[in-house]
Amino acid sequence: AQSVAQPEDQVNVAEGNPLTVKCTYSVSGNPYLFWYVQYPNRGLQFLLKYITGDNLVKGSYGFEAEFNKSQTSFHLKKPSALVSDSALYFCAVRATNYGQNFVFGPGTRLSVLP
Amino acid sequence: KAGVTQTPRYLIKTRGQQVTLSCSPISGHRSVSWYQQTPGQGLQFLFEYFSETQRNKGNFPGRFSGRQFSNSRSEMNVSTLELGDSALYLCASSLAPGTLNYGYTFGSGTRLTVV
Repeated sequence: AQSVAQPEDQVNVAEGNPLTVKCTYSVSGNPYLFWYVQYPNRGLQFLLKYITGDNLVKGSYGFEAEFNKSQTSFHLKKPSALVSDSALYFCAVRATNYGQNFVFGPGTRLSVLP
Repeated sequence: KAGVTQTPRYLIKTRGQQVTLSCSPISGHRSVSWYQQTPGQGLQFLFEYFSETQRNKGNFPGRFSGRQFSNSRSEMNVSTLELGDSALYLCASSLAPGTLNYGYTFGSGTRLTVV
């Protein structure tokens, strides 16, 4: 069975500082990994994905994520946080075999303080 | 191009009633998935439709049902509403179930409140 863990319910960071939102996963076989962001009363917006290839993936709004197969992790990072990055972040995994739906983590609320 | 459209945005129903939510996917997308989002349970998968057929189903009671039309638009129905059904219901579209690497595009959701 697939599962995703986001060990931190809340991450607080000062504006201009680097941020990391953690994600670990469990899936049989090779994973497709995604990060989504959700602003209040809105749906989820796609940030980036890892399919194959380079372990460092760059996405929207200056975010990037590093796939680490040995640690089964896919942490989201940004070198310099903005107040507007404050939102709810979801990590998701989907196994590469057909018919597997997405499994989302519980979400991490990021607060960037001015 | 237009995004995923969910209607209505907000809905208030009383216990015991039924409700139908609608989702129009991005043009050209033929797969529609539904999720329930609540503060306590996070994002829970409801079902996935492709070519008018349910391809995958989550662990929800039979009161939750859905369908997809020939134009790929989808509806989900919840009968005999319970207070615990209050949630944000999200629809996501993708090209097809087999295009796993494309991910989802989500709608803004329907906020259902059961009183």
